[in-house]
Amino acid sequence: DVKVTQSSRYLVKRTGEKVFLECVQDMDHENMFWYRQDPGLGLRLIYFSYDVKMKEKGDIPEGYSVSREKKERFSLILESASTNQTSMYLCASRSNRGRQPQHFGDGTRLSIL
Amino acid sequence: AQTVTQSQPEMSVQEAETVTLSCTYDTSESDYYLFWYKQPPSRQMILVIRQEAYKQQNATENRFSVNFQKAAKSFSLKISDSQLGDAAMYFCAYRRLTGNTGKLIFGQGTTLQVKP
Repeated sequence: DVKVTQSSRYLVKRTGEKVFLECVQDMDHENMFWYRQDPGLGLRLIYFSYDVKMKEKGDIPEGYSVSREKKERFSLILESASTNQTSMYLCASRSNRGRQPQHFGDGTRLSIL
Repeated sequence: AQTVTQSQPEMSVQEAETVTLSCTYDTSESDYYLFWYKQPPSRQMILVIRQEAYKQQNATENRFSVNFQKAAKSFSLKISDSQLGDAAMYFCAYRRLTGNTGKLIFGQGTTLQVKP
């Protein structure tokens, strides 16, 4: 089974802090994604990566950056956390081969105080 | 740009009964994929069912089936013989056929409550 692991289930940070959310997948997937999930808005794509060191902006990239130095790891960075970034963050990965679905991590519930 | 709309924020069903969750989408493309994902409380999101737009036959996975109406851009999920374990948030999602990154566009989600 595919395993997508997010480093924290719950995280509390302060306004202005630099925040790192880590995601690791164990299936050698080429594509990785970061979403945020908010009530009434569903999941919205922040950034995705289709290869090591390759990234593209999603629908809501403002205030975020990403890093993919190794194929299995995709990090989401909040450069200067703000209260409106309090949310659930979901990481997903997917293989390019065949009709593969996205596989999701458990999510990180991030609170910015 | 493609959009996905789930107009039912919450639904409830009695155990063993059937429930249908609605989803509409907007796209100018003729070929694409549609998905239903399930997110149980505090648990991982998992794929429930997938439909390729070029297939006329509605997808079925055990107690889960879809009613895909391409002309109407409608993609509803029917859950038969509902079980307590079906209680979750359900998301409808769209993916383009072209390109291999697999980007998904999600609807707002529908929370399903199953009553014993």
